[in-house]
Amino acid sequence: GESVGLHLPTLSVQEGDNSIINCAYSNSASDYFIWYKQESGKGPQFIIDIRSNMDKRQGQRVTVLLNKTVKHLSLQIAATQPGDSAVYFCAENIGSGGSYIPTFGRGTSLIVHP
Amino acid sequence: NAGVTQTPKFRILKIGQSMTLQCTQDMNHNYMYWYRQDPGMGLKLIYYSVGAGITDKGEVPNGYNVSRSTTEDFPLRLELAAPSQTSVYFCASPPDLEGLVRDTQYFGPGTRLTVL
Repeated sequence: GESVGLHLPTLSVQEGDNSIINCAYSNSASDYFIWYKQESGKGPQFIIDIRSNMDKRQGQRVTVLLNKTVKHLSLQIAATQPGDSAVYFCAENIGSGGSYIPTFGRGTSLIVHP
Repeated sequence: NAGVTQTPKFRILKIGQSMTLQCTQDMNHNYMYWYRQDPGMGLKLIYYSVGAGITDKGEVPNGYNVSRSTTEDFPLRLELAAPSQTSVYFCASPPDLEGLVRDTQYFGPGTRLTVL
Protein backbone atom coordinates (compact mmCIF):
# COMPACT_ATOMS: atom_id res chain seq x y z
CA GLY A 1 0.00 0.00 0.00
CA GLU A 2 0.96 3.67 -0.06
CA SER A 3 1.49 5.84 2.97
CA VAL A 4 2.69 9.35 3.59
CA GLY A 5 5.82 9.39 5.71
CA LEU A 6 7.43 12.30 7.50
CA HIS A 7 8.82 13.64 4.25
CA LEU A 8 8.37 11.29 1.32
CA PRO A 9 5.37 9.19 0.41
CA THR A 10 6.36 5.53 0.58
CA LEU A 11 5.16 2.54 -1.41
CA SER A 12 6.00 -0.93 -0.10
CA VAL A 13 5.58 -3.93 -2.38
CA GLN A 14 6.57 -7.58 -2.52
CA GLU A 15 9.10 -8.75 -5.07
CA GLY A 16 7.31 -9.80 -8.24
CA ASP A 17 4.32 -7.52 -7.70
CA ASN A 18 3.53 -4.66 -10.03
CA SER A 19 4.15 -1.16 -8.63
CA ILE A 20 2.28 2.01 -9.46
CA ILE A 21 3.81 5.33 -8.49
CA ASN A 22 1.70 8.45 -8.89
CA CYS A 23 2.58 12.05 -9.49
CA ALA A 24 0.50 15.22 -9.75
CA TYR A 25 2.03 18.00 -11.80
CA SER A 26 1.31 21.68 -11.49
CA ASN A 27 1.46 23.40 -14.85
CA SER A 28 -1.26 22.65 -17.40
CA ALA A 29 1.03 24.08 -20.11
CA SER A 30 3.79 21.53 -19.45
CA ASP A 31 4.45 19.59 -22.64
CA TYR A 32 6.99 16.97 -21.63
CA PHE A 33 7.37 14.74 -18.59
CA ILE A 34 10.17 12.59 -17.30
CA TRP A 35 10.49 9.90 -14.63
CA TYR A 36 13.75 9.59 -12.71
CA LYS A 37 15.01 6.97 -10.28
CA GLN A 38 17.35 7.99 -7.47
CA GLU A 39 19.22 5.38 -5.47
CA SER A 40 20.66 6.29 -2.11
CA GLY A 41 23.74 8.51 -2.38
CA LYS A 42 23.47 8.90 -6.14
CA GLY A 43 22.13 11.41 -8.62
CA PRO A 44 18.79 10.82 -10.36
CA GLN A 45 18.82 8.52 -13.39
CA PHE A 46 16.46 8.81 -16.36
CA ILE A 47 13.87 6.02 -16.72
CA ILE A 48 11.26 7.07 -19.26
CA ASP A 49 9.67 10.17 -20.73
CA ILE A 50 6.42 11.11 -22.42
CA ARG A 51 5.20 13.97 -24.56
CA SER A 52 1.93 15.71 -23.79
CA ASN A 53 0.40 14.53 -27.08
CA MET A 54 0.58 10.93 -25.82
CA ASP A 55 -1.27 9.25 -22.98
CA LYS A 56 0.85 6.12 -22.66
CA ARG A 57 4.40 5.07 -23.33
CA GLN A 58 6.10 1.78 -22.61
CA GLY A 59 9.69 0.89 -21.93
CA GLN A 60 11.46 -2.13 -20.55
CA ARG A 61 9.29 -3.22 -17.59
CA VAL A 62 8.02 0.34 -17.17
CA THR A 63 4.97 2.16 -18.47
CA VAL A 64 4.13 5.82 -18.03
CA LEU A 65 0.52 7.00 -18.20
CA LEU A 66 -0.42 10.64 -18.62
CA ASN A 67 -3.82 12.12 -17.80
CA LYS A 68 -3.76 15.77 -18.80
CA THR A 69 -7.35 16.36 -17.69
CA VAL A 70 -6.43 15.91 -14.04
CA LYS A 71 -2.69 16.72 -14.44
CA HIS A 72 -1.61 13.29 -13.32
CA LEU A 73 1.25 10.97 -14.24
CA SER A 74 1.84 7.43 -13.15
CA LEU A 75 4.79 5.09 -13.48
CA GLN A 76 4.03 1.38 -13.56
CA ILE A 77 6.84 -1.06 -12.89
CA ALA A 78 6.12 -4.66 -13.82
CA ALA A 79 7.46 -7.57 -11.77
CA THR A 80 9.17 -5.30 -9.27
CA GLN A 81 12.62 -6.41 -8.16
CA PRO A 82 14.69 -5.51 -5.07
CA GLY A 83 16.94 -3.47 -7.37
CA ASP A 84 13.98 -1.20 -8.08
CA SER A 85 14.05 0.06 -4.49
CA ALA A 86 14.77 3.79 -4.78
CA VAL A 87 13.11 7.18 -4.76
CA TYR A 88 11.18 7.96 -7.93
CA PHE A 89 10.63 11.50 -9.14
CA CYS A 90 8.50 12.86 -11.89
CA ALA A 91 9.64 16.03 -13.60
CA GLU A 92 7.67 18.35 -15.84
CA ASN A 93 9.18 20.63 -18.43
CA ILE A 94 8.24 24.19 -17.61
CA GLY A 95 10.23 25.63 -20.50
CA SER A 96 8.51 27.07 -23.53
CA GLY A 97 9.37 27.42 -27.18
CA GLY A 98 11.25 24.13 -27.21
CA SER A 99 13.43 24.92 -24.21
CA TYR A 100 13.98 22.26 -21.57
CA ILE A 101 13.68 23.24 -17.92
CA PRO A 102 12.71 20.20 -15.84
CA THR A 103 11.03 20.86 -12.51
CA PHE A 104 10.92 17.97 -10.08
CA GLY A 105 8.07 16.74 -7.96
CA ARG A 106 8.40 15.63 -4.37
CA GLY A 107 9.27 11.99 -4.98
CA THR A 108 8.01 8.61 -3.80
CA SER A 109 10.12 6.08 -1.98
CA LEU A 110 9.64 2.54 -3.34
CA ILE A 111 10.59 -0.30 -1.02
CA VAL A 112 10.65 -3.81 -2.48
CA HIS A 113 10.56 -6.68 -0.02
CA PRO A 114 12.12 -9.98 -1.14
CA ASN B 1 33.13 9.74 -21.75
CA ALA B 2 32.96 10.71 -18.11
CA GLY B 3 29.52 12.35 -18.44
CA VAL B 4 29.00 14.89 -15.66
CA THR B 5 31.64 15.32 -12.99
CA GLN B 6 31.34 17.37 -9.83
CA THR B 7 33.88 18.42 -7.26
CA PRO B 8 34.20 18.33 -4.34
CA LYS B 9 32.14 15.36 -3.09
CA PHE B 10 31.92 16.72 0.45
CA ARG B 11 32.59 20.09 2.05
CA ILE B 12 32.06 21.71 5.42
CA LEU B 13 31.93 25.51 5.50
CA LYS B 14 31.67 28.02 8.29
CA ILE B 15 28.99 30.69 8.13
CA GLY B 16 30.14 33.53 5.90
CA GLN B 17 32.74 31.55 3.98
CA SER B 18 32.57 31.25 0.23
CA MET B 19 33.22 28.40 -2.16
CA THR B 20 32.75 27.26 -5.73
CA LEU B 21 31.20 23.95 -6.68
CA GLN B 22 32.65 22.73 -9.95
CA CYS B 23 30.69 20.98 -12.68
CA THR B 24 32.05 19.72 -15.99
CA GLN B 25 30.43 17.74 -18.78
CA ASP B 26 32.09 16.18 -21.81
CA MET B 27 28.95 15.40 -23.79
CA ASN B 28 28.88 18.73 -25.65
CA HIS B 29 25.39 19.42 -24.33
CA ASN B 30 23.93 22.90 -24.36
CA TYR B 31 21.84 22.51 -21.22
CA MET B 32 23.33 22.52 -17.75
CA TYR B 33 21.51 22.83 -14.42
CA TRP B 34 22.24 23.18 -10.74
CA TYR B 35 19.79 21.65 -8.28
CA ARG B 36 19.79 21.37 -4.51
CA GLN B 37 18.18 18.53 -2.65
CA ASP B 38 17.31 18.81 1.01
CA PRO B 39 16.87 15.60 3.06
CA GLY B 40 13.76 13.67 2.06
CA MET B 41 12.78 16.25 -0.52
CA GLY B 42 12.79 16.71 -4.25
CA LEU B 43 15.25 18.69 -6.30
CA LYS B 44 14.91 22.44 -6.54
CA LEU B 45 16.37 24.31 -9.49
CA ILE B 46 18.91 26.97 -8.53
CA TYR B 47 20.25 28.17 -11.87
CA TYR B 48 20.39 26.85 -15.40
CA SER B 49 22.13 27.56 -18.67
CA VAL B 50 21.01 26.89 -22.23
CA GLY B 51 24.46 27.48 -23.69
CA ALA B 52 27.80 29.16 -23.20
CA GLY B 53 27.38 32.76 -22.09
CA ILE B 54 23.73 32.33 -21.10
CA THR B 55 22.48 31.73 -17.56
CA ASP B 56 19.12 32.11 -15.89
CA LYS B 57 17.62 31.91 -12.43
CA GLY B 58 15.64 28.91 -11.32
CA GLU B 59 13.31 28.52 -8.37
CA VAL B 60 15.82 29.17 -5.54
CA PRO B 61 18.69 31.39 -6.83
CA ASN B 62 19.21 33.60 -3.76
CA GLY B 63 22.67 33.24 -2.26
CA TYR B 64 24.17 31.68 -5.39
CA ASN B 65 25.82 32.78 -8.59
CA VAL B 66 26.83 30.96 -11.75
CA SER B 67 28.79 31.51 -14.92
CA ARG B 68 29.03 29.62 -18.21
CA SER B 69 32.10 30.75 -20.07
CA THR B 70 32.50 27.42 -21.88
CA THR B 71 30.16 24.64 -23.01
CA GLU B 72 31.86 22.21 -20.63
CA ASP B 73 31.90 24.09 -17.33
CA PHE B 74 29.14 25.47 -15.13
CA PRO B 75 30.49 26.44 -11.68
CA LEU B 76 28.16 27.39 -8.82
CA ARG B 77 29.39 30.05 -6.43
CA LEU B 78 28.29 30.52 -2.82
CA GLU B 79 29.47 33.93 -1.63
CA LEU B 80 28.38 34.08 2.03
CA ALA B 81 27.51 30.60 3.19
CA ALA B 82 24.50 30.26 5.49
CA PRO B 83 23.16 27.20 7.39
CA SER B 84 20.12 27.24 5.09
CA GLN B 85 22.47 26.27 2.24
CA THR B 86 23.27 22.94 3.86
CA SER B 87 22.13 20.51 1.21
CA VAL B 88 23.23 18.10 -1.51
CA TYR B 89 23.95 19.88 -4.77
CA PHE B 90 23.53 18.16 -8.12
CA CYS B 91 24.72 19.36 -11.47
CA ALA B 92 22.94 17.96 -14.53
CA SER B 93 23.46 18.12 -18.25
CA PRO B 94 20.87 16.31 -20.36
CA PRO B 95 20.71 16.55 -24.14
CA ASP B 96 18.10 18.74 -25.75
CA LEU B 97 14.41 18.03 -25.35
CA GLU B 98 13.50 14.35 -25.75
CA GLY B 99 17.07 13.24 -26.33
CA LEU B 100 17.30 11.34 -23.05
CA VAL B 101 18.58 7.76 -23.22
CA ARG B 102 17.99 5.21 -20.50
CA ASP B 103 20.99 4.17 -18.40
CA THR B 104 22.94 7.28 -19.40
CA GLN B 105 24.02 9.37 -16.45
CA TYR B 106 22.97 12.98 -16.91
CA PHE B 107 23.41 13.97 -13.28
CA GLY B 108 26.67 14.34 -11.44
CA PRO B 109 27.27 12.33 -8.24
CA GLY B 110 26.44 15.31 -6.02
CA THR B 111 28.26 17.54 -3.55
CA ARG B 112 27.24 17.22 0.07
CA LEU B 113 27.65 20.65 1.69
CA THR B 114 27.31 21.42 5.38
CA VAL B 115 27.38 24.99 6.68
CA LEU B 116 28.05 25.33 10.40
